Amino acid sequence: GAVVSQHPSWVICKSGTSVKIECRSLDFQATTMFWYRQFPKQSLMLMATSNEGSKATYEQGVEKDKFLINHASLTLSTLTVTSAHPEDSSFYICSAPRAGSSGNTIYFGEGSWLTVV
Amino acid sequence: GENVEQHPSTLSVQEGDSAVIKCTYSDSASNYFPWYKQELGKRPQLIIDIRSNVGEKKDQRIAVTLNKTAKHFSLHITETQPEDSAVYFCAATINNAGNMLTFGGGTRLMVKP
Repeated sequence: GAVVSQHPSWVICKSGTSVKIECRSLDFQATTMFWYRQFPKQSLMLMATSNEGSKATYEQGVEKDKFLINHASLTLSTLTVTSAHPEDSSFYICSAPRAGSSGNTIYFGEGSWLTVV
Repeated sequence: GENVEQHPSTLSVQEGDSAVIKCTYSDSASNYFPWYKQELGKRPQLIIDIRSNVGEKKDQRIAVTLNKTAKHFSLHITETQPEDSAVYFCAATINNAGNMLTFGGGTRLMVKP
C-alpha cells in the first residue's frame, strides 16, 4: 500500500488565489520531506527540502515567498502556492525517506496536478 | 553537487526483447541508486535500488548493475512486456545524509507488442 500520501490529487484554482497541498508519511516519521515539480515530459525538479521544526531549504531559483513550505509535524509537510498564476500550473510531488535495515528508501506521494485558470 | 545523466532518452523495443538504460553520476560519495518507473500522471514507483556495497541486484525480470569506479549504473529489463512501457528515472544520493535524490533526465520506454 501507499507509504506517502499526497492531497489533493487534482486542483483547479483562479489566478491570484492560494492553494495548499499536503504530504503525509503514513506509517513512519519523516523529519525531512522533499517537494518536486514536474513539467510534461520532463524529469523531476527539486524545489525545496522540508525540515520538521525548522525552515525549508529552497533550491536556487525557487521563490520561497511564493512556495511556502511548512513541516509542522513528523508526518506532515504542506506546500502552499501563493498568488497562483497560470505558469504555476504543473505536477507537484513530494517524497519522504523511510528508514530500513540497510538504509533509507525514498517514497513518493501520488502527486498533485495544479491548474491555474 | 551531484549530476546524473541518463541515456537513452527514448527506447523502443519489441515485446520479449531486453531493454538497457544507463546512468552516470558525478559525486563519488553517492552510495544509493534507486530506479523509478513513472506512468503518465502518476507517482514514480520504486522498482529496484542498489547500494554501493554490492555490484549487482536482481528482482525477477529486472536487474541493476553498479560500477563505482566508473561511476555508472544500469537498469536491465529482460523479456519486456507492453506493461513495461513507461518513463524510467535513475537517481543517486548519499543515503542517510539528507536523502536528496538527484534524478536523471528519464527514459521513455516503449514496448511494442
